[in-house]
Amino acid sequence: GAGVSQSPSNKVTEKGKDVELRCDPISGHTALYWYRQSLGQGLEFLIYFQGNSAPDKSGLPSDRFSAERTGGSVSTLTIQRTQQEDSAVYLCASSIDRGTGYTFGSGTRLTVV
Amino acid sequence: DQQVKQNSPSLSVQEGRISILNCDYTNSMFDYFLWYKKYPAEGPTFLISISSIKDKNEDGRFTVFLNKSAKHLSLHIVPSQPGDSAVYFCAARSGGSNYKLTFGKGTLLTVNP
Repeated sequence: GAGVSQSPSNKVTEKGKDVELRCDPISGHTALYWYRQSLGQGLEFLIYFQGNSAPDKSGLPSDRFSAERTGGSVSTLTIQRTQQEDSAVYLCASSIDRGTGYTFGSGTRLTVV
Repeated sequence: DQQVKQNSPSLSVQEGRISILNCDYTNSMFDYFLWYKKYPAEGPTFLISISSIKDKNEDGRFTVFLNKSAKHLSLHIVPSQPGDSAVYFCAARSGGSNYKLTFGKGTLLTVNP
């Protein structure tokens, strides 16, 4: 597609439920990133995928968070047993190669009630 | 520990005047700096960048200045336009992990007509 697509755009979930957030990167972009922005905070790095290499998961805040990228394209970020502090905007970005400028999606606003 | 700091949460300027957004960093390994602009309900979009080997980069109305000794960079917008009203994020990248961006918390710029 023309841009990075994320779904859903908004998600309200009950505390303790699992959620899945989807990211469709720009076709041909080998690098994919997940960031999140909590209220009043900057963008916090979560995870990075580059081609077929092992992902850099160093930013994932807890083992309730996981992500996968199938076929080098679509990525899913999964949050298990959601907590209220998980409420944030989750942003996905892709780039044609690592180190180049990112293109961000519009994000998924997650609210845990 | 915030490695990229934007100490002004907001800035208001008159249309036609100069907007100056500031950013400070603490990590001396950062060697590439970027500014992103974000409108509500949209993902951040890349605006302008600068390598640490330069002290200035200009693109139309936007100029970024880098003072390495002070670990400080600034974004100048001249002349400011109402459409520039957005949140501006400063981001930095280190040569070692040249894919992960560290973001500041952002500055909300309001340009008044």
